[in-house]
Amino acid sequence: DQQVKQNSPSLSVQEGRISILNCDYTNSMFDYFLWYKKYPAEGPTFLISISSIKDKNEDGRFTVFLNKSAKHLSLHIVPSQPGDSAVYFCAASDGTSGGGADGLTFGKGTHLIIQP
Amino acid sequence: DTEVTQTPKHLVMGMTNKKSLKCEQHMGHRAMYWYKQKAKKPPELMFVYSYEKLSINESVPSRFSPECPNSSLLNLHLHALQPEDSALYLCASSQDETGEWSQPQHFGDGTRLSIL
Repeated sequence: DQQVKQNSPSLSVQEGRISILNCDYTNSMFDYFLWYKKYPAEGPTFLISISSIKDKNEDGRFTVFLNKSAKHLSLHIVPSQPGDSAVYFCAASDGTSGGGADGLTFGKGTHLIIQP
Repeated sequence: DTEVTQTPKHLVMGMTNKKSLKCEQHMGHRAMYWYKQKAKKPPELMFVYSYEKLSINESVPSRFSPECPNSSLLNLHLHALQPEDSALYLCASSQDETGEWSQPQHFGDGTRLSIL
């Protein structure tokens, strides 16, 4: 049973416009959420994270929104640039270790294509 | 450039071989992780080490044997693997502070393993 779901396998956005990637989760124990970007032949690169006590976190062009009641989070990229074309993974952890050493549960990813 | 270094980048081995995957980080992180990623699938957690002790084993077959010789190094010893074990093996690390909020995991570029 998938605990983290990214229902859009791909998304095409014009350069300069906003990209919105969505993620849903089912495990109410998740308390920390992350977005990773992955190019072919490379490992995932950390982009931005949010803890369950917040509903928004911003870092430059990237903003993550968390709606706990809906068990939904989204990543906004503004403005979108050609270098943003990659696969984006949503991930979550449940904090059961009592510290920082919790494994991540990943969604299946969304392939973002930025069109010139 | 990733701060988590994995070697080798590619490995081809027979089902009777014994080999090891290596991972190194110098960020002072005390949590290290192994993930397995099959084609077109998200990474799946295998093992977590916290302060050089195995803290999570996600029911991984015994033909995979992890080892954490010190806080900077993580190995994955392989023996008698099956063709279905062919995958990308990713190492990650993160800070691990008991009582603190989770910290992001930083990934290496992985070892592409092929079992003949």
